[in-house]
Amino acid sequence: EDQVTQSPEALRLQEGESSSLNCSYTVSGLRGLFWYRQDPGKGPEFLFTLYSAGEEKEKERLKATLTKKESFLHITAPKPEDSATYLCAVQEYGGSQGNLIFGKGTKLSVKP
Amino acid sequence: GAVVSQHPSRVICKSGTSVKIECRSLDFQATTMFWYRQFPKKSLMLMATSNEGSKATYEQGVEKDKFLINHASLTLSTLTVTSAHPEDSSFYICSARDGTGRSEQYFGPGTRLTVT
Repeated sequence: EDQVTQSPEALRLQEGESSSLNCSYTVSGLRGLFWYRQDPGKGPEFLFTLYSAGEEKEKERLKATLTKKESFLHITAPKPEDSATYLCAVQEYGGSQGNLIFGKGTKLSVKP
Repeated sequence: GAVVSQHPSRVICKSGTSVKIECRSLDFQATTMFWYRQFPKKSLMLMATSNEGSKATYEQGVEKDKFLINHASLTLSTLTVTSAHPEDSSFYICSARDGTGRSEQYFGPGTRLTVT
């Protein structure tokens, strides 16, 4: 069973059409939840870290929220340049050297 | 800030040869570096964790004699794929974490390895 599940696998939006990406996790003790953006053929780019339920963080058109079971990445009025794969990762207490457990990602395509 | 570079970005090698990939933290000291492998439409798979000056810790199923990791300084870690086979072809990505206690890992741009 995957410890980090992202949905949907792929999402197609029109420019300006707001939506949300989901990341659900089942680790026993969450130390931190991380969102990254990955462009094709590139390494992941750090976006946010969330540590506790109820926490929210924003950056431009993106807002990340966290509950005890899942996190949402809300995209408001997306633009074509927001097209990328968005990765969610969790770090659990007791995990070896703070390793990150990644989901498979959501591939977002924003059409003009 | 928090920039991580990798070199080379792409490499093609013949079966049986060895390839070295470098990972550098450019503007911070990385006490811990991680090496991942990524397959198409799959999660990033952690291969090993290295701390400066000590032996790397390998994940289950990763051959330490095949994937040699050296973390000789606070800004440089290397991954050497020894006796490469076509099944080693993949996208290899490193990440680094500083020693301030923050949890974030900053990733390099990745290295595309093709073994012919």
